Amino acid sequence: AQSVAQPEDQVNVAEGNPLTVKCTYSVSGNPYLFWYVQYPNRGLQFLLKYITGDNLVKGSYGFEAEFNKSQTSFHLKKPSALVSDSALYFCALDRLAFGKGNQVVVIP
Amino acid sequence: DGGITQSPKYLFRKEGQNVTLSCEQNLNHDAMYWYRQDPGQGLRLIYYSQIVNDFQKGDIAEGYSVSREKKESFPLTVTSAQKNPTAFYLCASSIFSGSNSPLHFGNGTRLTVT
Repeated sequence: AQSVAQPEDQVNVAEGNPLTVKCTYSVSGNPYLFWYVQYPNRGLQFLLKYITGDNLVKGSYGFEAEFNKSQTSFHLKKPSALVSDSALYFCALDRLAFGKGNQVVVIP
Repeated sequence: DGGITQSPKYLFRKEGQNVTLSCEQNLNHDAMYWYRQDPGQGLRLIYYSQIVNDFQKGDIAEGYSVSREKKESFPLTVTSAQKNPTAFYLCASSIFSGSNSPLHFGNGTRLTVT
C-alpha cells in the first residue's frame, strides 16, 4: 500500500527566512509526487510535481522541491518565506494518498 | 474562466436525510474525483471517475454514491448510511486519468449533519 507522511503539524518561520516542509513516502515502483497548497475554506491549488528526471523540481510562487529516492523524501522548500505563504500544505502520492497536511505560519 | 464549481458552499441537513453535493467542471477534463477532508487527517478518496458512465470506489466509499452521466458533472450523494457525514467535501478533476496529471480542485462544500 502506498502512503505519505508529513511529520510536523505546524511549521513556524520568520518572514525572509528559508521555509522547508517535510514529506516522506512509501510506494512500490516509481512515485508520482505532488505538492498542493490550501487557503482557508478553499480547495487545494497545485504547486509542483515530480514524475521523473531532475531531482530538483521548480513550481509556482517560488517554491521548489527535492526528490530523494534513497531517503524516500520529497521536501518542499522556499528560499525566502512571505507572510502570504501562510497556509496548509499537502504532499500527495498519485491521487490516492495525501499526507495530513502541514500548517505553515510565516511570522512578520 | 475555466474551473470547477461546487455548490452549495455550506449545507445543513438532519440526520437520516440523503443529500447531494454538486460538482461541475468546464475544463474538458476526463477524470473527476471526490475527496473528504477532516481536520488533521488530510484528504481521503471517496469515488473517482475516469470516463462518462464509469466510476470506481475509493478508500471510503461506504455510505456514498455517485453518477457520471455527463463529462462535466460528477454529483456525490451522501446517504443516511454514512455514519459520520459532517466534513468538508472537495471535488477535483484532471485532464486525463493518468497518475502524472495534477488535480484541479473546487472550493469545497462544508456539510453539517445534526
